[in-house]
Amino acid sequence: DTTVKQNPRYKLARVGKPVNLICSQTMNHDTMYWYQKKPNQAPKLLLFYYDKILNREADTFEKFQSSRPNNSFCSLYIGSAGLEYSAMYLCASSGDWGASYEQYFGPGTRLTVL
Amino acid sequence: QQNVQQSPESLIVPEGARTSLNCTFSDSASQYFWWYRQHSGKAPKALMSIFSNGEKEEGRFTIHLNKASLHFSLHIRDSQPSDSALYLCAVSKLASSGSWQLIFGSGTQLTVMP
Repeated sequence: DTTVKQNPRYKLARVGKPVNLICSQTMNHDTMYWYQKKPNQAPKLLLFYYDKILNREADTFEKFQSSRPNNSFCSLYIGSAGLEYSAMYLCASSGDWGASYEQYFGPGTRLTVL
Repeated sequence: QQNVQQSPESLIVPEGARTSLNCTFSDSASQYFWWYRQHSGKAPKALMSIFSNGEKEEGRFTIHLNKASLHFSLHIRDSQPSDSALYLCAVSKLASSGSWQLIFGSGTQLTVMP
């Protein structure tokens, strides 16, 4: 089973309010990723966990938080949503972080901030 | 800074046509090259990858890589309506953290008309 699940599929949030997105995988993968995708733009890596170690991209360091309470689950947390956070958020996992390892994606959570 | 560009942005072809999608990258040290496919409302899924110069064929799909010209492509033989999807190319990049990351292009939206 190569399923990555994301909840919720759609999320409506108010400006200034917090948002928490959930991802789960049952493949016992060591690495889990979060991407942000806006229309007509490339998916942008926000952060990833290798085992329990969190790596955040420099330009999104202060905007997104994450936790990984166990191997299967990973969350993405926005403390105070702004209009610019409206996007599709994709979670992915891979068996390792090497160049040759395929990333398995979930269907995404579409976040709309009003 | 790795830059990945895809062309065309969108493409409409008749059923049975041969379709070509292109991707250029800027970092000659890139090692793995991927094509992902995302059907509407579904998760992106890896289609094919290539490591060395040349071509690789899997069924109706062929991937070409020319590292010297910083270019790789996906060719679809006998295109089918079920091939209609967003095609994302991606290049593996070694980050400063020592881990490999995928840098995506913004995608080509392919529509195959019956």
